[in-house]
Amino acid sequence: DTAVSQTPKYLVTQMGNDKSIKCEQNLGHDTMYWYKQDSKKFLKIMFSYNNKELIINETVPNRFSPKSPDKAHLNLHINSLELGDSAVYFCASSQSGAGELFFGEGSRLTVL
Amino acid sequence: AQSVTQLGSHVSVSEGALVLLRCNYSSSVPPYLFWYVQYPNQGLQLLLKYTSAATLVKGINGFEAEFKKSETSFHLTKPSAHMSDAAEYFCAVSEPSGTYKYIFGTGTRLKVLA
Repeated sequence: DTAVSQTPKYLVTQMGNDKSIKCEQNLGHDTMYWYKQDSKKFLKIMFSYNNKELIINETVPNRFSPKSPDKAHLNLHINSLELGDSAVYFCASSQSGAGELFFGEGSRLTVL
Repeated sequence: AQSVTQLGSHVSVSEGALVLLRCNYSSSVPPYLFWYVQYPNQGLQLLLKYTSAATLVKGINGFEAEFKKSETSFHLTKPSAHMSDAAEYFCAVSEPSGTYKYIFGTGTRLKVLA
């Protein structure tokens, strides 16, 4: 049973479209994250939720809107996709913002 | 503010040789430190972590790292490289008080030569 699962694994879409990525964790953790990994493998935190409350919102465009319906789920919706949004998006979870992060397998977004 | 520096974006070693991947951190408080490995088209997997207990930390796959406060370093080593060690390695830092922010280094691509 996968600890942190993301869907879909691959998205290919046109500029201007909207897309969503879903994430679920079954580890019982209270904190979930979205990270963006660019083509140079650089990992940058985007958002973090603790018990459904947004606690980290890095300088991410408003086109990105996270939503946490419960502490086991964190979704990411992206409006008006741009070429620069092409990346791998990783969901992760941890307990109380400390200890190790557990990562999903990533969702590779390609914007054409 | 926390930061992590990984020296060497690419490291090549021969199979059976010592692996040394460097990580230096900057933190206002004693941090938690982590090494993660990423194989192609996969997520990140924890290799080992330092959480203020023993300064020499042993991880999976024969890797270990030593926390040196005086040098603000947390270098990753493995005595003998294996072909299967070829991957991207990331050092990361977080604050023990639970600031919920994990900062990653820029990664080191390890290549193992036959």
